[in-house]
Amino acid sequence: DSGVTQTPKHLITATGQRVTLRCSPRSGDLSVYWYQQSLDQGLQFLIQYYNGEERAKGNILERFSAQQFPDLHSELNLSSLELGDSALYFCASSVGTISYNEQFFGPGTRLTVL
Amino acid sequence: SQQGEEDPQALSIQEGENATMNCSYKTSINNLQWYRQNSGRGLVHLILIRSNEREKHSGRLRVTLDTSKKSSSLLITASRAADTASYFCATLNTGNQFYFGTGTSLTVIP
Repeated sequence: DSGVTQTPKHLITATGQRVTLRCSPRSGDLSVYWYQQSLDQGLQFLIQYYNGEERAKGNILERFSAQQFPDLHSELNLSSLELGDSALYFCASSVGTISYNEQFFGPGTRLTVL
Repeated sequence: SQQGEEDPQALSIQEGENATMNCSYKTSINNLQWYRQNSGRGLVHLILIRSNEREKHSGRLRVTLDTSKKSSSLLITASRAADTASYFCATLNTGNQFYFGTGTSLTVIP
């Protein structure tokens, strides 16, 4: 158990809908990262927050947004969902920023868009 | 794409043998990390090697980094059935972008 929790575990929804994925980092970790894993795209880094501020951005679509709250939990919002958004979404956390620290991954949220 | 490429895509070995996986990347990096993923589960960090390091060990793991060739290798010695998993390299480039490779699927046969 990495200490990173993600909810929900599974999510099934329809095209055009909006969903929110939630992540609680390990105690003491200030950075939260979001990743998308799909069969055709592999593992893609989406975005990183550090202590509430956006720190790095990867291949995140404009339909997706994220935020990190004062209690350091984070939410990833996916809107206008398309079939291709079906994937495993992972959250990870680390003590510091991406530069020097290993990341601890949560168990993931499996999103299915029908 | 700036993703790393891993080689081989799949590897099957007998328990007790060594497993070697390679990772090549395209841009200058700050560090390179290796992760393991059991099927459908979250990734587990194995080892981090910085751009100014050439070799690192952790238990049965040995990682090398050759920045001139933009490549890294992960060696797992005396493999066990529990090592069966997918292994990914991940690079942090100098632009603070983090990219995972395509992964190597390792099967260790008891």
